Amino acid sequence: GAVVSQHPSWVICKSGTSVKIECRSLDFQATTMFWYRQFPKQSLMLMATSNEGSKATYEQGVEKDKFLINHASLTLSTLTVTSAHPEDSSFYICSASRGETQYFGPGTRLLVL
Amino acid sequence: DAKTTQPPSMDCAEGRAANLPCNHSTISGNEYVYWYRQIHSQGPQYIIHGLKNNETNEMASLIITEDRKSSTLILPHATLRDTAVYYCIVRVEGGSRLTFGEGTQLTVNP
Repeated sequence: GAVVSQHPSWVICKSGTSVKIECRSLDFQATTMFWYRQFPKQSLMLMATSNEGSKATYEQGVEKDKFLINHASLTLSTLTVTSAHPEDSSFYICSASRGETQYFGPGTRLLVL
Repeated sequence: DAKTTQPPSMDCAEGRAANLPCNHSTISGNEYVYWYRQIHSQGPQYIIHGLKNNETNEMASLIITEDRKSSTLILPHATLRDTAVYYCIVRVEGGSRLTFGEGTQLTVNP
C-alpha cells in the first residue's frame, strides 16, 4: 500500500511554455501533499506544502506565481511551472502523507530548452 | 526539527549487514527518527521510523540508543539493489515537513 504516482515521468519543453505535473495517491487519501525539487548532486528541497481545498504554503524563495499548486481532491495535486526557463530544469518529486509518514512519487524530470 | 549528521559514504559487501549510523544529539522527546533511501533518479522510498524503541520491518531494523542521540539503520543482508543514498531525518510528532540533509551514499559491492 501507500503508492504515489506522478505524470509525466519526464518532459522536455521550450522556454516560455508552461508545464503541468500531476501527483496522485493511488490507494489512500492524502489531505496533505508536498512538492520537492532536486538539482543534480544535491539533496531534496521542499518547495511547497499543499492541503486539499486550501492554498498551498510555499517555502521561502519559491515564487508562488511561477509554481502554481492545486490540490483539488484528496488524491490529486498538480504543480504547474509557468513560463518555464532553463534554470527551472530539475527533478520534481511529490509526496503524500498517510498518517505520520510521507510516501514519495517516482519524480518528474523537467528539461527546459 | 533536530539536525542530523551522517557519514557521506559507506561501502558494504553483498550479503553482509550494512550498518548506517546517524547522530541527532539535539533530538527532542517528541521527535521521531525517519529513514528514507533514494535510488538513483527515483523518488525517495520510506524505510522505517521510530521514537525510542527499536523497530524492525521487512526492509530493515532501526536501533535507537537509550539517550536517543544516535541511531543505526541495519540492512541485514545487503544486495546490489540496496545501493542508494540513505537519509536519516528527525521530525516532530504531528509535524509535516521533512528536511533532507546530504545523506549517506551506500555502495554495495559484489
